[in-house]
Amino acid sequence: EVQLEESGGDLVQPGGSLRLSCSAVGFRFSDYGMYWVRHAPGKGLEFVAAISSNGGSIYYADFVRGRFTISRDNSKKTVNLEMSRLRTDDTALYYCVKDRIRWSGGFESWGQGTPVTVSS
Amino acid sequence: EIVLTQSPGTLSLSPGDTATLSCRASQTFTRGSLAWYQHKAGQAPRLLIYGAISRATGVPDRFSGSGSGTDFTLTISRLEPEDFAVYYCHQYGDSPPYPFGQGTKVEIK
Repeated sequence: EVQLEESGGDLVQPGGSLRLSCSAVGFRFSDYGMYWVRHAPGKGLEFVAAISSNGGSIYYADFVRGRFTISRDNSKKTVNLEMSRLRTDDTALYYCVKDRIRWSGGFESWGQGTPVTVSS
Repeated sequence: EIVLTQSPGTLSLSPGDTATLSCRASQTFTRGSLAWYQHKAGQAPRLLIYGAISRATGVPDRFSGSGSGTDFTLTISRLEPEDFAVYYCHQYGDSPPYPFGQGTKVEIK
């Protein structure tokens, strides 16, 4: 069974930094693209960042480019999101997501999310 | 940049009814890379449909997707109590921004 477990969410002040991690079990991690998607209070789902199976292709939403960095460690089966220069509108539940196939097959499996609150 | 517009915002229906949810794209997709997700409060979103028409593993056949080009539909036949949730369409393609629609809430009438 595919399981994704996010961690690292916290309360942080505007301008601060945070590192989110996602641990994966139940599938061959190195075969799949991985994503971060967020859900802000009262809003819809929003793509944040993507990384291909070998880490060779990385994409970001415009609103996080230059502030967030996605990475993965296939030996540890983890994907991370380094977040810096956080803003109040980054407040959201952040989900780790597995692709349905190696790449661009749909967002098949989701973790339960880790909450990030940016507030002074 | 593709924008997805879902309608209606809210559907008020009774168990046993049929729900018809619409998703309109601002431009044509390549490869029909349109997905639908179900999202319940406090739970992770669930992939229902990919490739506009294909059901994901384990999804009941009362969920069906249709459409192409810029107009897509999710139909839920014979609504069960557990189907009342928020539904999102999503364009996943080859490269971002991978937009989501704003969601349609299916609520109990």
